[in-house]
Amino acid sequence: GAVVSQHPSRVICKSGTSVKIECRSLDFQATTMFWYRQFPKQSLMLMATSNEGSKATYEQGVEKDKFLINHASLTLSTLTVTSAHPEDSSFYICSARGTSVPDTQYFGPGTRLTVL
Amino acid sequence: SQQGEEDPQALSIQEGENATMNCSYKTSINNLQWYRQNSGRGLVHLILIRSNEREKHSGRLRVTLDTSKKSSSLLITASRAADTASYFCATDKTSGSRLTFGEGTQLTVNP
Repeated sequence: GAVVSQHPSRVICKSGTSVKIECRSLDFQATTMFWYRQFPKQSLMLMATSNEGSKATYEQGVEKDKFLINHASLTLSTLTVTSAHPEDSSFYICSARGTSVPDTQYFGPGTRLTVL
Repeated sequence: SQQGEEDPQALSIQEGENATMNCSYKTSINNLQWYRQNSGRGLVHLILIRSNEREKHSGRLRVTLDTSKKSSSLLITASRAADTASYFCATDKTSGSRLTFGEGTQLTVNP
């Protein structure tokens, strides 16, 4: 099946620093990637949708200058949390969608971000 | 905002029993999908049912869809301890559009 990886799986950083999270589709070309945020015992909240080669579309209430998304190739999207603060601590999950099965999103294993 | 609601929020059963989870949604949909999430992990796609389908099977999973009631159910038969996870339904309005997730059901299968 389609495999999506995320790196790192866990990161701890100091307040004010920036953190980059990578999302890769390993065995298919992802025309669209999605970034979600999930708080403990809650559902997934879509942050933004990124299409390869174009600017990401952010959901209402998500600061695009805070959460920088780059989808530079058909297999890689990155999310950079800039000037991180403790309230940014969360579980960030990406998903990828290809052209062969456009209705299905394949999810990465998630990245646990802790900002001290 | 989440349009999906799932019940129960939490379900605890014994190994070998069947588990049924329900999902309701508010707007018209193209597809409805079910995902499983183990604690602290990503989501695993389980099954997709299209709006013109009423029932679908995959192994021990059975999904039904009632578009008139805007609801779906996921049945896991002969449950195993390894089925312990959170289960989410997700809908999209058109092919390839964004997914909207339900609140999830936490299933615990006791050995």
